[in-house]
Amino acid sequence: GAVVSQHPSRVICKSGTSVKIECRSLDFQATTMFWYRQFPKQSLMLMATSNEGSKATYEQGVEKDKFLINHASLTLSTLTVTSAHPEDSSFYICSAHLTNVANTEAFFGQGTRLTVV
Amino acid sequence: DAKTTQPNSMESNEEEPVHLPCNHSTISGTDYIHWYRQLPSQGPEYVIHGLTSNVNNRMASLAIAEDRKSSTLILHRATLRDAAVYYCILRDLYNFNKFYFGSGTKLNVKP
Repeated sequence: GAVVSQHPSRVICKSGTSVKIECRSLDFQATTMFWYRQFPKQSLMLMATSNEGSKATYEQGVEKDKFLINHASLTLSTLTVTSAHPEDSSFYICSAHLTNVANTEAFFGQGTRLTVV
Repeated sequence: DAKTTQPNSMESNEEEPVHLPCNHSTISGTDYIHWYRQLPSQGPEYVIHGLTSNVNNRMASLAIAEDRKSSTLILHRATLRDAAVYYCILRDLYNFNKFYFGSGTKLNVKP
């Protein structure tokens, strides 16, 4: 089946630095990808929709200058957490769909565990 | 957005069937019912989806109420590997991008 891959799976960074997380669709093209954040023992929260060739759209309350999203190709979206702080420590997950209809499944990456120290 | 309500947790014995309920009383006619599960420290995994009719696949069955205001995910023989958080999600046909996760049901499977 289709695969979405994230890299890195785990990262530790110092407070004030920036971290980039990559999300790749390995065997299909994805014009749209999605980024989620998940805190311990909580559900996934949709952060933003990444659109190939155009600006990302962010959910209410998500700082676009804090979480920079770039979707430069049909198989790659990146999320950069800028000037990271300990409260940004979380599990970040991306997803993509095979076709742009509701009657298909979504594929999720394995997630990236970010720890800011 | 249409919302879903699921029990916080459920427990099952290994090799017994499990029925995971989901209420979606505000579902619209164009909403598909999707189920995903998330194992610890992993991204969610697709389980099954449907619109009106019951659905079966190799992983599970989905029973949808006639009025579509509720559905039940059925695992026919639970294994230890089925221990996960199960999410019931409504996907709008016209606004399918928006995947809003509820709190889900944490399934514990006892050996």
